[in-house]
Amino acid sequence: NAGVMQNPRHLVRRRGQEARLRCSPMKGHSHVYWYRQLPEEGLKFMVYLQKENIIDESGMPKERFSAEFPKEGPSILRIQQVVRGDSAAYFCASSLPGGSNTEAFFGQGTRLTVV
Amino acid sequence: AQSVAQPEDQVNVAEGNPLTVKCTYSVSGNPYLFWYVQYPNRGLQFLLKYITGDNLVKGSYGFEAEFNKSQTSFHLKKPSALVSDSALYFCAVRDIRGYSTLTFGKGTMLLVSP
Repeated sequence: NAGVMQNPRHLVRRRGQEARLRCSPMKGHSHVYWYRQLPEEGLKFMVYLQKENIIDESGMPKERFSAEFPKEGPSILRIQQVVRGDSAAYFCASSLPGGSNTEAFFGQGTRLTVV
Repeated sequence: AQSVAQPEDQVNVAEGNPLTVKCTYSVSGNPYLFWYVQYPNRGLQFLLKYITGDNLVKGSYGFEAEFNKSQTSFHLKKPSALVSDSALYFCAVRDIRGYSTLTFGKGTMLLVSP
């Protein structure tokens, strides 16, 4: 049973380009979460998705960032017109439905560097 | 709003000695608490969780954590540290929104010397 798979592991983009980060949840997991880890900081929640639905995007910047989790295929975190401040590690996590007793399992992250 | 505080940026301990990584939390209602570990250039690995029941929770790799409601703490402990335990440790609290969304502390770097 493969874990949460994220790709690419490392991504370099020039300012103004688009970044697409992919996340395939663990088998059987229908809930996906995206977190951002800035240098010297903990993880900050960005968005919570279920298949074809955005449940909570309260941690997502209002502009340039979007996320989706289609019926088929991985979840995608998209950052348009990247800026240097977007450089960070982006982690995806997945879980089973169930709420309180359910721990999230994390992928290895995508490290985005904006040059 | 919920929050987690990890008061130490770094903890140093000699191999074979006991270790403690501190965590305090602030949450309305019952807290659901988690510890994760992050090795260099890796994702987070789940260590243990407290949902309800015994205040002492046992987890992976010999780690345990003690929930103390009166002190709003959830300190991570291990009786005998290994050099391979050196990593970044995160305490997290489950969000009141009822999902698995987690609020994380800033992390504590644990360095175990031979």
